[in-house]
Amino acid sequence: GENVEQHPSTLSVQEGDSAVIKCTYSDSASNYFPWYKQELGKRPQLIIDIRSNVGEKKDQRIAVTLNKTAKHFSLHITETQPEDSAVYFCAAEDYGGSQGNLIFGKGTKLSVKP
Amino acid sequence: DGGITQSPKYLFRKEGQNVTLSCEQNLNHDAMYWYRQDPGQGLRLIYYSQIVNDFQKGDIAEGYSVSREKKESFPLTVTSAQKNPTAFYLCASSPRRGIGELFFGEGSRLTVL
Repeated sequence: GENVEQHPSTLSVQEGDSAVIKCTYSDSASNYFPWYKQELGKRPQLIIDIRSNVGEKKDQRIAVTLNKTAKHFSLHITETQPEDSAVYFCAAEDYGGSQGNLIFGKGTKLSVKP
Repeated sequence: DGGITQSPKYLFRKEGQNVTLSCEQNLNHDAMYWYRQDPGQGLRLIYYSQIVNDFQKGDIAEGYSVSREKKESFPLTVTSAQKNPTAFYLCASSPRRGIGELFFGEGSRLTVL
């Protein structure tokens, strides 16, 4: 089945700087890669996703890039703000063991210092 | 107001007791899921259901049971066989399994004393 590795586990940046979180996956059949944001004490919410037929997708200050050959994808947040502080999870669809369910990385705790 | 509702938000139980966590959705989604969240462990899939009266084990199903008697409801029972039940439990739904966004509930925090 799919295995998703996420790095770093914690990330601290100054307000206005950029933040990058990287994930690798193992199943070359996976073709859907979402990112979820979980603020403290709240539910995870989808912030951006990408499918394997595109290499990059942007939505205002966030972007996701995908390299299918290397089997990794990254979340980029520009001009970070204190409200970006949260735990971010990457995920990939599992076409092996869980047959289409999402397999999540272990999360990255992002802290944006004002 | 459409969404997915979990209850209770906090639950304390003694060791050896079974507990049931409720999950209800009014999004008319076919697929529902239960995830367990532990610090530093991400979200791990316990059980999922694609349709009423059908459900499948996820990666960490041992010590848990579910039912799907109605489309809107997918309760999770944490049995006494679960060796380390203290955790944060998240229910989610999606229009169909493997398709697009997961919508999560607010979560239930279970503490076994």
